[in-house]
Amino acid sequence: ETGVTQSPTHLIKTRGQQVTLRCSSQSGHNTVSWYQQALGQGPQFIFQYYREEENGRGNFPPRFSGLQFPNYSSELNVNALELDDSALYLCASSSGGWETQYFGPGTRLLVL
Amino acid sequence: AQRVTQPEKLLSVFKGAPVELKCNYSYSGSPELFWYVQYSRQRLQLLLRHISRESIKGFTADLNKGETSFHLKKPFAQEEDSAMYYCALRGVGTASKLTFGTGTRLQVTL
Repeated sequence: ETGVTQSPTHLIKTRGQQVTLRCSSQSGHNTVSWYQQALGQGPQFIFQYYREEENGRGNFPPRFSGLQFPNYSSELNVNALELDDSALYLCASSSGGWETQYFGPGTRLLVL
Repeated sequence: AQRVTQPEKLLSVFKGAPVELKCNYSYSGSPELFWYVQYSRQRLQLLLRHISRESIKGFTADLNKGETSFHLKKPFAQEEDSAMYYCALRGVGTASKLTFGTGTRLQVTL
């Protein structure tokens, strides 16, 4: 059984640029949640996708958007990057909205 | 609104000593509570959830609705327990989002 994977592991962008982060869910999982973890903080919920539809959103602006594909992998897109977007982005998959979430290793984003 | 508070950033205990990691929550309803753990250079993983009422790696946690707490306890700390611990809450009808606390680093020393 393959666990949750994320790519890239880390990247550096400049303010105003756009970024796409990718997540492959664990085998058999149809739900993906994205979290932002700033330094010294706990993860904060961005949004969740269930069977390719957005299934809830946290307190993040519209420039944070996502997609889920038929194979249940997912992308997180962030437009017009700001310095405060620098964080670890975590993806978690589950076999349903209310099942245990399994986390990936994260993508560390640095915005200069 | 839902909120999780972990008052201690760092908890340092000696090997063999009891451990209690504090977690308080705010939620107007019946939440589901979790403890997640992150060992050094590893990903975040579920330690236990209150509905399971089980003991994992010697850790237990009881949901106290009167005090809105879900403290994590272990009677005898081991070196391998050193890690970052996060308490998390999931409310009803909230798209199963998890709300995390800021985490407590547990350091077990000899």
